[in-house]
Amino acid sequence: DAGVIQSPRHEVTEMGQEVTLRCKPISGHDYLFWYRQTMMRGLELLIYFNNNVPIDDSGMPEDRFSAKMPNASFSTLKIQPSEPRDSAVYFCASSLWDREGLPDTQYFGPGTRLTVL
Amino acid sequence: AQSVAQPEDQVNVAEGNPLTVKCTYSVSGNPYLFWYVQYPNRGLQFLLKYITGDNLVKGSYGFEAEFNKSQTSFHLKKPSALVSDSALYFCAVRASNDYKLSFGAGTTVTVRA
Repeated sequence: DAGVIQSPRHEVTEMGQEVTLRCKPISGHDYLFWYRQTMMRGLELLIYFNNNVPIDDSGMPEDRFSAKMPNASFSTLKIQPSEPRDSAVYFCASSLWDREGLPDTQYFGPGTRLTVL
Repeated sequence: AQSVAQPEDQVNVAEGNPLTVKCTYSVSGNPYLFWYVQYPNRGLQFLLKYITGDNLVKGSYGFEAEFNKSQTSFHLKKPSALVSDSALYFCAVRASNDYKLSFGAGTTVTVRA
């Protein structure tokens, strides 16, 4: 099993540019999560999907952030326009559902380290 | 609301000594508890979880954790630490009827040779 795949691993961009982060979840997993990790705020849940449908995006910091999951094997997180305060490591995670239909153990990708200059 | 506290930012132990990383939680209802480890420039790796049943849970790499309902704790333990255990450890909790997993701030473990 290849695990959760994220690309790119590193992204350096200039303020104002559009940034697109990509995620391929583990095959067969029903849930997909996007997290952001910073020293100041730790791990924050941005949005999650169930069966490709966005369920809760209350963690998305601003309208500049958007996420899509066009099919079961691909999701994107887009920031437009990017700002220096968006610099962080962005993780994607996926999980099966448990017997209550809720997320089981989440498995994380290696992350994308985003630097906005 | 649910939350996790990892009271120690750092834990330092000598190789071969027991390792304990502390975690306490607050959640409405029954807790589902998890431990993850993060090595530098890597994603979080799942170590173990408690859902129900035996309070002592065994996981990957020789780690175990003990669920204590009265103390609302879920401390991670390893009887004999290795230098390779040096990493950042996260405790996480969610309520049994909720989707959201809440993470602690993390504890940096350093095992010296």
